[in-house]
Amino acid sequence: GAGVSQSPRYKVAKRGQDVALRCDPISGHVSLFWYQQALGQGPEFLTYFQNEAQLDKSGLPSDRFFAERPEGSVSTLKIQRTQQEDSAVYLCASSNLAGPGTDTQYFGPGTRLTVL
Amino acid sequence: GQQVMQIPQYQHVQEGEDFTTYCNSSTTLSNIQWYKQRPGGHPVFLIQLVKSGEVKKQKRLTFQFGEAKKNSSLHITATQTTDVGTYFCAGGGGSQGNLIFGKGTKLSVKP
Repeated sequence: GAGVSQSPRYKVAKRGQDVALRCDPISGHVSLFWYQQALGQGPEFLTYFQNEAQLDKSGLPSDRFFAERPEGSVSTLKIQRTQQEDSAVYLCASSNLAGPGTDTQYFGPGTRLTVL
Repeated sequence: GQQVMQIPQYQHVQEGEDFTTYCNSSTTLSNIQWYKQRPGGHPVFLIQLVKSGEVKKQKRLTFQFGEAKKNSSLHITATQTTDVGTYFCAGGGGSQGNLIFGKGTKLSVKP
């Protein structure tokens, strides 16, 4: 596709509800990243995939957070039993990089999650 | 762990004035990237600096990477209202390619 897309753009959940956030990276991009951005803060790294392999999940705040990319393209970030502190914008980014190091990351529009 | 600090947090300027934001890392970086995020938008890549002491220019924007590869700056000459947004530096150095973002500098420009 032309860019990274994410859905839904907005999600309101009741505390305790499970949510699933989807990311469609740029076609052919090997690397995919998830970030959490709280209001007024910079994006904070959550997890990283290279193709279907989750190479780093050190940023996931708790075991309620789970991410997958089963076929090496679309990725889903799942949050179980949502809490109010999970309210944030969840950003997905992809890059063409196929190995260690860093490269330009292209961000999607984000999903704004509000937990009531 | 690795931290990237960015100052100032906010900057209000009159249109036509210059603007600078500074970024400092607690560790040596393999590279540094700069992103701009407009209100309600997502981060958009501006530039990547890789070499020690590197300086790059994009029209009115000048980016520098320190000799020790632990600090960087973004300078905008003669700001315009279209420059409004939050500017983030992001340090590369993680073994798997993830970036460590600073908290950003929010720039507002008064016409």
